[in-house]
Amino acid sequence: KAGVTQTPRYLIKTRGQQVTLSCSPISGHRSVSWYQQTPGQGLQFLFEYFSETQRNKGNFPGRFSGRQFSNSRSEMNVSTLELGDSALYLCASSSRSGGAGETQYFGPGTRLLVL
Amino acid sequence: DQQVKQNSPSLSVQEGRISILNCDYTNSMFDYFLWYKKYPAEGPTFLISISSIKDKNEDGRFTVFLNKSAKHLSLHIVPSQPGDSAVYFCAAGGTYKYIFGTGTRLKVLA
Repeated sequence: KAGVTQTPRYLIKTRGQQVTLSCSPISGHRSVSWYQQTPGQGLQFLFEYFSETQRNKGNFPGRFSGRQFSNSRSEMNVSTLELGDSALYLCASSSRSGGAGETQYFGPGTRLLVL
Repeated sequence: DQQVKQNSPSLSVQEGRISILNCDYTNSMFDYFLWYKKYPAEGPTFLISISSIKDKNEDGRFTVFLNKSAKHLSLHIVPSQPGDSAVYFCAAGGTYKYIFGTGTRLKVLA
């Protein structure tokens, strides 16, 4: 079974631009979660989607948004990029829950650099 | 408010010895816990999990212990190998999300 895939793997943008990242979950997985990883901050939860519905959201500004399609693929968008948005963005999928009782499997991440 | 804490940013252990990585949490509603290993420029790789109804779970060289009264879990790696050198994250499960610690960098010395 193929793992979680994320595209693109690397991205360079300038301040004020917007960016869209894509995630394809493991086949059969319907829950997709997004995380931001910055040095010293661990993995910060952005949001979780299941069946095209956002079920939970972390403490990020409204510039961060996401969506999920009927095939469970997910995208996240960051508008009006700031230097502090430079990070590794990770996507994880699980069968149903996205939380307690289920293991999440991660993709390789998208490294975003904002100049 | 850091609900999941890994207080040791780094740990060095000799090859063949035991590595013990610790994790503390504050929310008693968490009932499922995971450990991940992460290499640079890669996504985290799942290692082992434990449900709150258990106090121990083993998988090969990896054992996770959960002390619910102390809100503490630990990951034991025995014996440690140089390939185990990585950053280790613990995660605690809540409703539709996991909260991750900030990670512990393990270095296994040959």
